[in-house]
Amino acid sequence: EVQLVESGGGLVQPGGSVRLSCVASGFSFGDYWMSWLRQVPGQGLEWVAHIGRDGSEKYYVDSVKDRFTISRDNRGNLVFLQMNSLRAEDTAVYYCVKDARDWGQGTVVTVSS
Amino acid sequence: DVVLTQSPLSLPVTLGQPASISCRSSQSLVHSNGNTYLLWFHQRPGQSPRRLIYNVYNRDSGVPDRFSGSGSGTDFTLKISRVEAEDFGIYYCMQATHWPHTFGQGTELEIK
Repeated sequence: EVQLVESGGGLVQPGGSVRLSCVASGFSFGDYWMSWLRQVPGQGLEWVAHIGRDGSEKYYVDSVKDRFTISRDNRGNLVFLQMNSLRAEDTAVYYCVKDARDWGQGTVVTVSS
Repeated sequence: DVVLTQSPLSLPVTLGQPASISCRSSQSLVHSNGNTYLLWFHQRPGQSPRRLIYNVYNRDSGVPDRFSGSGSGTDFTLKISRVEAEDFGIYYCMQATHWPHTFGQGTELEIK
């Protein structure tokens, strides 16, 4: 059974940083692209970042480019999202997603002073 | 970015009746490899989204056959042949043909 478990969310001040982690199990991790998506409570979904199987290809939505960095550790079955220069509009539930099919339960990031 | 426009945004339905949701794209979702990466998700309050349909019409495992997807190019539809209680919630279409991948605004299926 595929499992994706996110951690690292919390309350952070504007301009601050946070690192999200996702540990994956139940599938051959290195064979899949991994992604981070987010959802502002009560609102729609946004695809934030996407990383290829070996970590060499990365894509970001424009609103987070130069502030967020996605990375992965295929030995440890982990995917990360380093979030810097955080803004109020980054407040959301952040989901770790495999293949647009399997989703974690989400971790909440709140950017507020 | 590709804009996906869903309609209606709110869909009151009686149990046992059919339902249909439209998703229109601002540009063709046919990839250069010939595939069309249009997906449908269902989300209940407090839960993560669940993928129902991928590549326009393919049902994910465990998805009841009352759900069907159709369409091509820029015009797509999700149909539920007979709505059951567990079907209520928000439905999103999503395209993965162009980066950034984008979602429709969501359609709330509610009890009439």
